Parts: sequence; C-alpha cells; structure tokens
Amino acid sequence: GAVVSQHPSWVICKSGTSVKIECRSLDFQATTMFWYRQFPKQSLMLMATSNEGSKATYEQGVEKDKFLINHASLTLSTLTVTSAHPEDSSFYICSASDRGTGANEKLFFGSGTQLSVL
Amino acid sequence: QKEVEQDPGPLSVPEGAIVSLNCTYSNSAFQYFMWYRQYSRKGPELLMYTYSSGNKEDGRFTAQVDKSSKYISLFIRDSQPSDSATYLCAMSLGGSYIPTFGRGTSLIVHP
Repeated sequence: GAVVSQHPSWVICKSGTSVKIECRSLDFQATTMFWYRQFPKQSLMLMATSNEGSKATYEQGVEKDKFLINHASLTLSTLTVTSAHPEDSSFYICSASDRGTGANEKLFFGSGTQLSVL
Repeated sequence: QKEVEQDPGPLSVPEGAIVSLNCTYSNSAFQYFMWYRQYSRKGPELLMYTYSSGNKEDGRFTAQVDKSSKYISLFIRDSQPSDSATYLCAMSLGGSYIPTFGRGTSLIVHP
C-alpha cells in the first residue's frame, strides 16, 4: 500500500523559533500534497494544497508567511511554521494523492506531527 | 448547514456488537464516499472507498451509500477493542477536487 512518512512525530520549541515538518511519499509519486491541522476532537482543517514545482494554494484564513510550504519534488513536501507562537500548537498532518491515479478521493496520510510551542 | 454532518460521539459498545456509524451531507454532486479510521495521535487511514450508491463489503466492514437520502453508513460487525478509534467520513466530487471531511465519530469498544 501507499506509504506517507512524516517527521518529526513530535516537536517542542520555544516561542519565536521556526519548525520544519517533512512529508515524504515512499513508494509512489505524489502530484499533490495536502497539509491539515487538527485540534483535539475536531475534524481535519485543510491549510493548503501543494503541487510539485509550483506555489502552494492556501485556504482562506491561513497565513502564507506563517506557514511556508515547499513541494520541491514528487516525493517531498515540507511545512515550515515560522516564528511559532503558543497558538500554533496543534497536530499537523500531511497527505498525498497518487500521481498514477490522478484522483484525490484516495488520500494517504502521514502519521502526523504534534507541535507544542512554549 | 455544514456540507457534511457527523455525530462526534463518543459511541461506546461492548465487544462483539454491531456498530453503525453515519454521516449526512448536503451536496448532491458528491460521487465518492470514503471512511477513514484515525487512532489517537496518528494520521487517518483509508478504510473504505465507494463510488456512487450501493454497498461495499470488506471483511467485518460494510459501507453503504444512499444518495437519494444523502446518507452514508459504515457498519462494523463483531467489533473488537482494537476498533476503538475515531472514524471520519469523507466525500468528494472526484478528480482533482479535495475531499470534504466530517468531524469524526469517536468509537469505544470495551471488552
């Protein structure tokens, strides 16, 4: 099955620092990757969609300069939370769709990253 | 009205029970219907995937779609404690459209 690897799974950082989260598709090429944020007992909130080689598309209300997304290759997308603050503490999850199918209805998710900003 | 409605629960059942999880939706154009299972502090994993109306069975899991009522269900037979997780329904128009997720139902199967 398609595997998406996400690292780190857990990170604590000081307020004002930046944190980078990596998302890799291990056994398939991902045309599109999605970044979600999830609060406890809440659903997935789509933050942005990234396509390989182009700028990410951000959802309304998501700060582009705060959440930098880079999709440099068909197997790697990164999310950098810049100048993190305690309100950025959350569970971040990436997902990818298989380039072979070209369809987004089957998404493969990473294991998530719990970010805690002190 | 939200596009996808899902009762957050929690739903607590004894081991061996038949579990019924449901979602309703408002967009009649949805064509693809998915169920994801998410364990605590993990990413969701795709459980069931259905196109249009009808039933689909995979082991102890059965997904049902009733497009006329805009209602989908996931049934779990012979539930096990290991089934304890949050189940999210998702729906899509297909193609490059991004799926819309429900908020998830927390299921607890106690021994």
